[in-house]
Amino acid sequence: GAGVSQTPSNKVTEKGKYVELRCDPISGHTALYWYRQSLGQGPEFLIYFQGTGAADDSGLPNDRFFAVRPEGSVSTLKIQRTERGDSAVYLCASSLGPILNTEAFFGQGTRLTVV
Amino acid sequence: KQEVTQIPAALSVPEGENLVLNCSFTDSAIYNLQWFRQDPGKGLTSLLLIQSSQREQTSGRLNASLDKSSGRSTLYIAASQPGDSATYLCAVIGGAQKLVFGQGTRLTINP
Repeated sequence: GAGVSQTPSNKVTEKGKYVELRCDPISGHTALYWYRQSLGQGPEFLIYFQGTGAADDSGLPNDRFFAVRPEGSVSTLKIQRTERGDSAVYLCASSLGPILNTEAFFGQGTRLTVV
Repeated sequence: KQEVTQIPAALSVPEGENLVLNCSFTDSAIYNLQWFRQDPGKGLTSLLLIQSSQREQTSGRLNASLDKSSGRSTLYIAASQPGDSATYLCAVIGGAQKLVFGQGTRLTINP
């Protein structure tokens, strides 16, 4: 695709509900990242996929958060039993290969509001 | 643990001025540094990528420098325009293969 695509762009959910956020990376990009950005802050790392496997999930805040990338392309970030503190913009990025020497490209983000 | 700091947090200048945004990082063992622009309510747009072996990169009116040994990078914007108003974020990448971001500098260019 032309760029990283994230859906939905906005999601409002009630506390305690389950949500899924989707990321379509740039075609051919093997590396995919999820970040979370709170108002006025820089993005914070959640999880990194290289291909289908999660190479680093050290940023996931707790076991309510889970992400998958079953075919090495589209990824879904899943949040169970949402809490008001989960409200933030969730950003997805992809890169051609491991990010050590390649540029990362971000999507427009999904703004999650938990009420 | 890598920490990235951006100073100032906010900057307001008249149109036409040249300006410098600063980024510092605590661990100099980085592979590259990337500058991004973020418009309100939007995602991040990549501006410049500087690899660890480089000292600077240029794109149009933007010039980014990197001094690994001192843990610093600067983004220079020449002849600023109102359309340059946005938040500018720098991020470094180390062996952990993830971007570590600063909190950003919110830039306002006044016509």
